[in-house]
Amino acid sequence: DTEVTQTPKHLVMGMTNKKSLKCEQHMGHRAMYWYKQKAKKPPELMFVYSYEKLSINESVPSRFSPECPNSSLLNLHLHALQPEDSALYLCASSQVLRVSDEQYFGPGTRLTVT
Amino acid sequence: LAKTTQPISMDSYEGQEVNITCSHNNIATNDYITWYQQFPSQGPRFIIQGYKTKVTNEVASLFIPADRKSSTLSLPRVSLSDTAVYYCLVGSNFGNEKLTFGTGTRLTIIP
Repeated sequence: DTEVTQTPKHLVMGMTNKKSLKCEQHMGHRAMYWYKQKAKKPPELMFVYSYEKLSINESVPSRFSPECPNSSLLNLHLHALQPEDSALYLCASSQVLRVSDEQYFGPGTRLTVT
Repeated sequence: LAKTTQPISMDSYEGQEVNITCSHNNIATNDYITWYQQFPSQGPRFIIQGYKTKVTNEVASLFIPADRKSSTLSLPRVSLSDTAVYYCLVGSNFGNEKLTFGTGTRLTIIP
């Protein structure tokens, strides 16, 4: 199984809502990533977990809160988002945290903040 | 991470070979060169990776000259399904290096 799954596929939320994005992989990968991608732009790295510990936080606003409950799961908790946070949120995983390791990406969650 | 420069867009006809070049003048000794493909509303997909000379797999070839300051992704006999954005990334294995996507090349295949 070389698949990374993400739920939900689409999410519409108001600026006062709290929601969560979920990502799952069963490849035994120990590095997991969150990216944000705006239309016609490259993916931007947000967070990286390595062995369930947060290794990289790219100065992301605190309204985004990542969580890695176990080696297969990665969550992104959302609270008090702004309309400019609307984007495609991509999850990825790799065997370990190493740039040369192939990253496997999920299909993404299309988030709209109203 | 070495900064990369790619053409913003390219057009090609079906059946032709397409070469997309990426410049990375500041590449470091330990850096690898990796290419990803992304279709609309999907996550990127790994295509190929190399360190020097030539690498070939079932999808593409990657040509890296001796000075490693550039690389060329070669897609043989493209079809309409190869229409996508192609990203060149350069980075090493050391420390908490992260993978930073460049601007990418939007390839459009014309029937």
